[in-house]
Amino acid sequence: RKEVEQDPGPFNVPEGATVAFNCTYSNSASQSFFWYRQDCRKEPKLLMSVYSSGNEDGRFTAQLNRASQYISLLIRDSKLSDSATYLCVVNTWNAGKSTFGDGTTLTVKP
Amino acid sequence: GAGVSQSPSNKVTEKGKDVELRCDPISGHTALYWYRQSLGQGLEFLIYFQGNSAPDKSGLPSDRFSAERTGGSVSTLTIQRTQQEDSAVYLCASSLYAPSNTGELFFGEGSRLTVL
Repeated sequence: RKEVEQDPGPFNVPEGATVAFNCTYSNSASQSFFWYRQDCRKEPKLLMSVYSSGNEDGRFTAQLNRASQYISLLIRDSKLSDSATYLCVVNTWNAGKSTFGDGTTLTVKP
Repeated sequence: GAGVSQSPSNKVTEKGKDVELRCDPISGHTALYWYRQSLGQGLEFLIYFQGNSAPDKSGLPSDRFSAERTGGSVSTLTIQRTQQEDSAVYLCASSLYAPSNTGELFFGEGSRLTVL
């Protein structure tokens, strides 16, 4: 079983739709959580951190459920420019590395 | 620029040759990471450095792979006797600390390796 698992998609949605991505992690000692965005043939970039209380950044909302070891990302009012691969990332402090999920691909269509 | 710099951006080599990939992290970042990404796949962890030491080499696929970091700055990933399955994009990232409290890794644009 992979340490971080994501639904690979692809998700194909119309502009304006709401879409949610899920991610599960296996290491209960994991301490911090993030969503990265990767555009085609580009490097990953941080989208947002995920806090226990849930956090929102404009149209993006991230949630963490430690009991279920589950992270989610909700995108409201999708834009064409949201088309990308979204990577779930988990840090375990004593491992010293960030573990990436394989990513979920989103395509927003006109 | 102030970002992570990688070279070469593209490398085509013949099977059996050795290659060196270079990463120049953001100035002042103590942690440096190497990942690789095959086409359509996720990021595979290879190795990370804290300063010049590598506490975690667990991701290196075989003894043909090695990496070093000197002066707490530039890192070189060396692949000896390349094989076709080594073809991938090799991504370097740096962060201020490891494990990073903010978790943000700053990636370079990657070195695309093609082994013929």
